[in-house]
Amino acid sequence: GESVGLHLPTLSVQEGDNSIINCAYSNSASDYFIWYKQESGKGPQFIIDIRSNMDKRQGQRVTVLLNKTVKHLSLQIAATQPGDSAVYFCAESITGNTPLVFGKGTRLSVIA
Amino acid sequence: DTAVSQTPKYLVTQMGNDKSIKCEQNLGHDTMYWYKQDSKKFLKIMFSYNNKELIINETVPNRFSPKSPDKAHLNLHINSLELGDSAVYFCASSQDYSGNTIYFGEGSWLTVV
Repeated sequence: GESVGLHLPTLSVQEGDNSIINCAYSNSASDYFIWYKQESGKGPQFIIDIRSNMDKRQGQRVTVLLNKTVKHLSLQIAATQPGDSAVYFCAESITGNTPLVFGKGTRLSVIA
Repeated sequence: DTAVSQTPKYLVTQMGNDKSIKCEQNLGHDTMYWYKQDSKKFLKIMFSYNNKELIINETVPNRFSPKSPDKAHLNLHINSLELGDSAVYFCASSQDYSGNTIYFGEGSWLTVV
C-alpha cells in the first residue's frame, strides 16, 4: 500500500480565511516532504518543501508543519484566495533512495 | 520557455493501437520520470531514468516502454492500447536522484476508445 495518505477529499473555505490541509505518512524513514498544487488541466506545481531536520517552514502565504512524532504533515494557506482553488498533494521520499510517493490529494474549494 | 514539455497534450485513440508521448526538459536535470494519474487524481510513478539509465520500473505492463535518447528526453511508447490505459500521463524531472524537487510537465490526456 501507499505510505502517504490524505483522507479528506474536499475542503471548502471562505475567501480570506486560512486553510489547513493535512497529510499522514507511514514511512518513518522519509526525510523529505513536498506540497504540490494541481490546477485543473495542469501538472502539479511545487509549493513548498521541508526536510526532516526542520519542523516548520514558511513561504509566501504558505507554511508547512512537520510532526515526525506522529508522522503528520500539514499545509497552511493564509488568507485563502480564489486562485488557491486546486487539488493539493503531499509527497514524501527518502533522500537518495526513493522517488517521491504521492498521497491521494485534497481538493480545496474557495468560496468567494 | 516551458521547463518540462510533453506532447501531445490530448490523444484519443482506439484499442489495440500503438502510441507515443514525447517529453523534453530544458532544466539540465539528470533524472526524468513518467507518472500516471488516474481518474481519482492518484499519482503513481511508472519509470525513472537517471542519465539515460533506467533506475525505476514499477509494476507496469511491458506494453509500456520508455526510451531516453539523451538525458533531456524521455519518451513513452505504449503498444496495444487498452481501455484501462486511459489516464493522464505526466513527465517530470529532477536535478538528480537524491530527494530533490520534481518538476512536472503539463500532462498528456490519453483516452482509449
